[in-house]
Amino acid sequence: DAGITQSPRHKVTETGTPVTLRCHQTENHRYMYWYRQDPGHGLRLIHYSYGVKDTDKGEVSDGYSVSRSKTEDFLLTLESATSSQTSVYFCAISEGVGGNSDEQYFGPGTRLTVT
Amino acid sequence: DAKTTQPNSMESNEEEPVHLPCNHSTISGTDYIHWYRQLPSQGPEYVIHGLTSNVNNRMASLAIAEDRKSSTLILHRATLRDAAVYYCILRDEYQGAQKLVFGQGTRLTINP
Repeated sequence: DAGITQSPRHKVTETGTPVTLRCHQTENHRYMYWYRQDPGHGLRLIHYSYGVKDTDKGEVSDGYSVSRSKTEDFLLTLESATSSQTSVYFCAISEGVGGNSDEQYFGPGTRLTVT
Repeated sequence: DAKTTQPNSMESNEEEPVHLPCNHSTISGTDYIHWYRQLPSQGPEYVIHGLTSNVNNRMASLAIAEDRKSSTLILHRATLRDAAVYYCILRDEYQGAQKLVFGQGTRLTINP
């Protein structure tokens, strides 16, 4: 299994509070991603990173920010959590594209509930 | 982003082959076809990918139509552990990052 951990694994928070989710990898992969998954849906890309301090938006980036100050850590922040952000959040990593680099490895997920 | 269409659910029996179809009529010439699966309460797991030619690996085979507008994931001998949601994805790429757009996938049930 790829070395990807997410913390916390479960969190309950109140509307309006800031929340930070952490993704940590031990594979030294260049690319990291944050997805969210809602019941009955596939995953949707929130933000991704193509290097330290290099990030870009995915399809559902509103209300989220990210930071990557080290290769191994990718942080997802909800500045002011809303109930619509209740979801399961997955982090993923990849080496890049082409050949054996085409696999994306996913973490175990963080279940976030905003009350 | 190019989209894919899959059946919502399929059912098969243990130790029988399973063919999971995917339509991607708007695929572009540079889109790779990726398949991932998600077991209950886990993150997605890479299965296989291809561009034009059929591909085989230890998990499955991928058959790609000659016009690339459809593909089929083949599990040669299903086991109970293959019960999962299977996603067919056209991989978009920007600066080397993979931008995967997941649809709703096919929920595969395997009967003992």
